[in-house]
Amino acid sequence: DVKVTQSSRYLVKRTGEKVFLECVQDMDHENMFWYRQDPGLGLRLIYFSYDVKMKEKGDIPEGYSVSREKKERFSLILESASTNQTSMYLCASSLAILAGGFDTQYFGPGTRLTVL
Amino acid sequence: AQKVTQAQTEISVVEKEDVTLDCVYETRDTTYYLFWYKQPPSGELVFLIRRNSFDEQNEISGRYSWNFQKSTSSFNFTITASQVVDSAVYFCALTTLKAAGNKLTFGGGTRVLVKP
Repeated sequence: DVKVTQSSRYLVKRTGEKVFLECVQDMDHENMFWYRQDPGLGLRLIYFSYDVKMKEKGDIPEGYSVSREKKERFSLILESASTNQTSMYLCASSLAILAGGFDTQYFGPGTRLTVL
Repeated sequence: AQKVTQAQTEISVVEKEDVTLDCVYETRDTTYYLFWYKQPPSGELVFLIRRNSFDEQNEISGRYSWNFQKSTSSFNFTITASQVVDSAVYFCALTTLKAAGNKLTFGGGTRVLVKP
């Protein structure tokens, strides 16, 4: 079974703090993703990575950065947390399939971040 | 650009009733994939089904069934004889081969509450 884990289920931080959210997958997946989930908006993609040290902006990258130094680990960084970043953050991973294929994304349990 | 609409924000049923969740999508790409995920109260998104645009066969898996109709751009999900354990938020999602990183576009989700 695919296993995607996230470092914390709940996190409370103060405005202006630097926040790190960690995601680890154990299936040797090339692709990794960070989403945020807000009521009524579904999940929105923040950043994704298709290889070590590679990253691409998603739909809402402002205020976030990412790091992928090892294949199994993908970190989301809030350089200076703000209250509008209070949300549920979900990490996902998938295989990279060449020649026009596609593989299912598998999700971690999520981190509920509150910024005070 | 892709778009997924789940018009029902919340559905409440009594156990053993059937419930149908609507999903309407928009894309200009001819090759695309549709997904349903379940998010129970624990928070983790659980993959339920994947469908590609060339396969319009309906699918049944136990009490779950899916109806894919390209003519109406819909991919509806029915739970037959609902149970309390079906209480969750359900997301419909779309990706295309042209979407960068095969990123998923999610609908806003439908919360299903099954009462005993």
